[in-house]
Amino acid sequence: ILNVEQSPQSLHVQEGDSTNFTCSFPSSNFYALHWYRWETAKSPEALFVMTLNGDEKKKGRISATLNTKEGYSYLYIKGSQPEDSATYLCAFNRGSQGNLIFGKGTKLSVKP
Amino acid sequence: DAGITQSPRHKVTETGTPVTLRCHQTENHRYMYWYRQDPGHGLRLIHYSYGVKDTDKGEVSDGYSVSRSKTEDFLLTLESATSSQTSVYFCAISGGQGLSPTYNEQFFGPGTRLTVL
Repeated sequence: ILNVEQSPQSLHVQEGDSTNFTCSFPSSNFYALHWYRWETAKSPEALFVMTLNGDEKKKGRISATLNTKEGYSYLYIKGSQPEDSATYLCAFNRGSQGNLIFGKGTKLSVKP
Repeated sequence: DAGITQSPRHKVTETGTPVTLRCHQTENHRYMYWYRQDPGHGLRLIHYSYGVKDTDKGEVSDGYSVSRSKTEDFLLTLESATSSQTSVYFCAISGGQGLSPTYNEQFFGPGTRLTVL
């Protein structure tokens, strides 16, 4: 059974704080690692798809790194804003058909 | 939005009745997926399709069947609904313009909330 673990489960920060979350995944048979942002009452939206060991990707104040050899990825948010409040999901791509195994997510709450 | 709709958006049904959920896309993506989302489990893949009439099982496929007779539509059927199938169901698509689903994002529909009494 393939497991994707995310930590912490939830996080409460103040506006302006920087924060980071962890995603752990199997280090063998790696294809890609996805990050999604999921706001309440909406659908998940992709942030990054990461494929190469050492990959670093950035979108505005959000960035992510990837270590495929040890099986982890970090998502960083710099200067958190209340609109960053959401659940952040990572998903391990287990094959060529795009089948994703999702972690349970990290729920971020940013207080003004 | 990536042109994905799901119908119905909400449904309440009784144990033992058949239920069909529909996912419709206007993006001409080759790959389509059905997930269920439950508290404490995150998103889990039920079935997926890699082309018209080409489908395969995901990690939680028991009690579900799917069909894809045309590119735009992917149907999820619960032949005899059970209370354990109460969940929120999401459809997703990938692989537009010939892109590999492995290295590209998935786009999610708005979800269907199904309650089985």
